[in-house]
Amino acid sequence: EAQVTQNPRYLITVTGKKLTVTCSQNMNHEYMSWYRQDPGLGLRQIYYSMNVEVTDKGDVPEGYKVSRKEKRNFPLILESPSPNQTSLYFCASRTPGSNYGYTFGSGTRLTVV
Amino acid sequence: GENVEQHPSTLSVQEGDSAVIKCTYSDSASNYFPWYKQELGKGPQLIIDIRSNVGEKKDQRIAVTLNKTAKHFSLHITETQPEDSAVYFCAATVNYQLIWGAGTKLIIKP
Repeated sequence: EAQVTQNPRYLITVTGKKLTVTCSQNMNHEYMSWYRQDPGLGLRQIYYSMNVEVTDKGDVPEGYKVSRKEKRNFPLILESPSPNQTSLYFCASRTPGSNYGYTFGSGTRLTVV
Repeated sequence: GENVEQHPSTLSVQEGDSAVIKCTYSDSASNYFPWYKQELGKGPQLIIDIRSNVGEKKDQRIAVTLNKTAKHFSLHITETQPEDSAVYFCAATVNYQLIWGAGTKLIIKP
């Protein structure tokens, strides 16, 4: 089954403790992206990647890092999480050069205390 | 840059009635307008989309209309059913980047 898999689904952590949210897709998509979803703000893009070793900042990249060492994986790294990064995070992938075909993961609900 | 506004933020309709969600965009270069449905505990899923060279598109009970002159597009759901309850997002695409609306929570009353 074609899918985007995120882990973990839920995570509670403390301020300053580094964490990684993993994202993996099995559709051989070159384009992958991370979003955060907050009430009343919709989906805001954090980082995206057009291909292996190619990453770019989205609208809200501060406090986040990403890496794209292989096509299928696109982890999101929070080096020093803060409470304002408490949010629902989604990873998505799509066929490059195409407007459509976005596939989203099931989300990771992160709470930073 | 592109800005997408979506209204209303919450919409409550009686089962069987129609629901309409509206979005406006600012960048006339936007050329693709998808709608996503997000059910509780899941990621958004594409339900219908429209390109800038088309005025209307239908898929069973859902339809999308686009007015390029006024820079607005709408989602229409007819004969609403309980499974239509979800959050709906509109988006506009500029250079293959999606700009999202803030979402509409659709509640179907039995």
